[in-house]
Amino acid sequence: SQQGEEDPQALSIQEGENATMNCSYKTSINNLQWYRQNSGRGLVHLILIRSNEREKHSGRLRVTLDTSKKSSSLLITASRAADTASYFCATDGLNNNAGNMLTFGGGTRLMVKP
Amino acid sequence: DTAVSQTPKYLVTQMGNDKSIKCEQNLGHDTMYWYKQDSKKFLKIMFSYNNKELIINETVPNRFSPKSPDKAHLNLHINSLELGDSAVYFCASSRLPGGAGYEQYFGPGTRLTVT
Repeated sequence: SQQGEEDPQALSIQEGENATMNCSYKTSINNLQWYRQNSGRGLVHLILIRSNEREKHSGRLRVTLDTSKKSSSLLITASRAADTASYFCATDGLNNNAGNMLTFGGGTRLMVKP
Repeated sequence: DTAVSQTPKYLVTQMGNDKSIKCEQNLGHDTMYWYKQDSKKFLKIMFSYNNKELIINETVPNRFSPKSPDKAHLNLHINSLELGDSAVYFCASSRLPGGAGYEQYFGPGTRLTVT
């Protein structure tokens, strides 16, 4: 089963609006990462938040982590058409058999209309 | 300069054939991975190598055999291809394994279609 599950599965907004994507996971983690995947391309790392952090910012991105609820959110502010992509959360669990095994969710497909 | 490259980008082949996908990274990373992304976009790890040694093998059929000739390369050989092997395969690398949390760099993917 997927460790991380994103919600919603798909999101369509207008340029300039904010986009919020959520991720829930099941087991304890070392850190949680967010990646972006443009259509037909590989994944690109966006941001990493460690289990002892609650919030992190990078440009127009804001990530929160609530380990008590086993959930994270990714907020993209002032969205642009170029933000259209799939966004994945990935957890780096404490109980991996060999470390740094990221477990990915199913992704949120974001469409930003110009 | 391409950080993680894969060849070929597209691979169309018939059931029962054997094929290979090559991956190279020029980032100086010690750890490399193979992932499979299915038609619903779920991404699942298949293998991980650290310093040419296998450290993760996630219940992948033994028709799949990764080979790491050196730290910069991790190739994937697939024997007796089946329809269910159709997917996009991604190679990735990171500086080190371990729970310290290193971002992974992904290649562009190889779309494998088995007919």
